[in-house]
Amino acid sequence: GEDVEQSLFLSVREGDSSVINCTYTDSSSTYLYWYKQEPGAGLQLLTYIFSNMDMKQDQRLTVLLNKKDKHLSLRIADTQTGDSAIYFCAGPKSRFGAGTRLTVKP
Amino acid sequence: SAVISQKPSRDICQRGTSLTIQCQVDSQVTMMFWYRQQPGQSLTLIATANQGSEATYESGFVIDKFPISRPNLTFSTLTVSNMSPEDSSIYLCSVGSGTGGTGELFFGEGSRLTVL
Repeated sequence: GEDVEQSLFLSVREGDSSVINCTYTDSSSTYLYWYKQEPGAGLQLLTYIFSNMDMKQDQRLTVLLNKKDKHLSLRIADTQTGDSAIYFCAGPKSRFGAGTRLTVKP
Repeated sequence: SAVISQKPSRDICQRGTSLTIQCQVDSQVTMMFWYRQQPGQSLTLIATANQGSEATYESGFVIDKFPISRPNLTFSTLTVSNMSPEDSSIYLCSVGSGTGGTGELFFGEGSRLTVL
């Protein structure tokens, strides 16, 4: 199976919270990452979490890491239309998930 | 951080031809990565390009199809050989943040290839 898996689509209303989930198979990475890709642009690092942490909060972003289940999630609070993008989970060996396309409806 | 420039940004190519994509980084880096991003599919690692040695290819990718050059620490090229419509994709160059950092990757804006 794939090293990193994500659901492909998520649609939310403006102001709601968005939760994007990711599972991975290789637990050797020191860090796990979330990247954001806006239309027509390259990927940019959004946030990351050190593998010995369970949670990291950065303004509207909360990253949760469940090492036992090899599950990573990204929560975006008060989602705005500008958050519409593709979000990629990335883990060890430069492996990426397929990306979750987040659509925010006004 | 690193600033990565890719050329061409987009191109339309004929079946059976080859195209070379260039990647220039504004700082010296040990490892450069080439990814393919096909519509609706994973960002897939093609190969890791190390300066002074042959590139390391991922499963499903071979040197004859995707030859890579890495002549110095700031530059790399990826050639897509004998193209077919299935090679239509965005090709992304990426570099790591180096030792001592978080290991994040910096990406170029990609080269969008359409093969007719």
